[in-house]
Amino acid sequence: EDQVTQSPEALRLQEGESSSLNCSYTVSGLRGLFWYRQDPGKGPEFLFTLYSAGEEKEKERLKATLTKKESFLHITAPKPEDSATYLCAVQGTGTGGFKTIFGAGTRLFVKA
Amino acid sequence: KAGVTQTPRYLIKTRGQQVTLSCSPISGHRSVSWYQQTPGQGLQFLFEYFSETQRNKGNFPGRFSGRQFSNSRSEMNVSTLELGDSALYLCASSSGTGAYEQYFGPGTRLTVT
Repeated sequence: EDQVTQSPEALRLQEGESSSLNCSYTVSGLRGLFWYRQDPGKGPEFLFTLYSAGEEKEKERLKATLTKKESFLHITAPKPEDSATYLCAVQGTGTGGFKTIFGAGTRLFVKA
Repeated sequence: KAGVTQTPRYLIKTRGQQVTLSCSPISGHRSVSWYQQTPGQGLQFLFEYFSETQRNKGNFPGRFSGRQFSNSRSEMNVSTLELGDSALYLCASSSGTGAYEQYFGPGTRLTVT
């Protein structure tokens, strides 16, 4: 069964303190791995799609990387406005169709 | 370009009633997916529609159903509401079905009393 596990559940950083969020996945035939950001009371906001091991994508202070078993979301010199829940999701060929499976998320708090 | 819109934003229903939620996707997007989000279970996939056809379905009881219209707008219906159906219901649209990025609406907060 396809599964996504995110760690840590919560992460508290000081402004400027770089860190990484982890997303471990088990999927039959990865079609894509997605990262989203969700602010309280809002729907998730798309950040990145990664398709194959070794792929990397960057956007401002965020960089997503992918291996065959996990993905990392690196946050460089975070600011308070980066505080949010970061969600990882996968879609695989063996999920009985194109179901997107989400992890529980990592809640990031960045203190000024 | 207008984003995904969902109506209503908030809803309070009584156990046993039924409810219909609406979603208008981004213009040009033909795929609409529905998700249920709760603090305990996180985001769970309900179903996906593409060109008026249900393409995929999650592990939810038959009380949860949906449809998509020719203009790609979608509705989700929940019959015989239970207390455990209280959740944020999110709609997401994408330009295709498959490994495409999804764009989410703000959600409908359903409270069942």
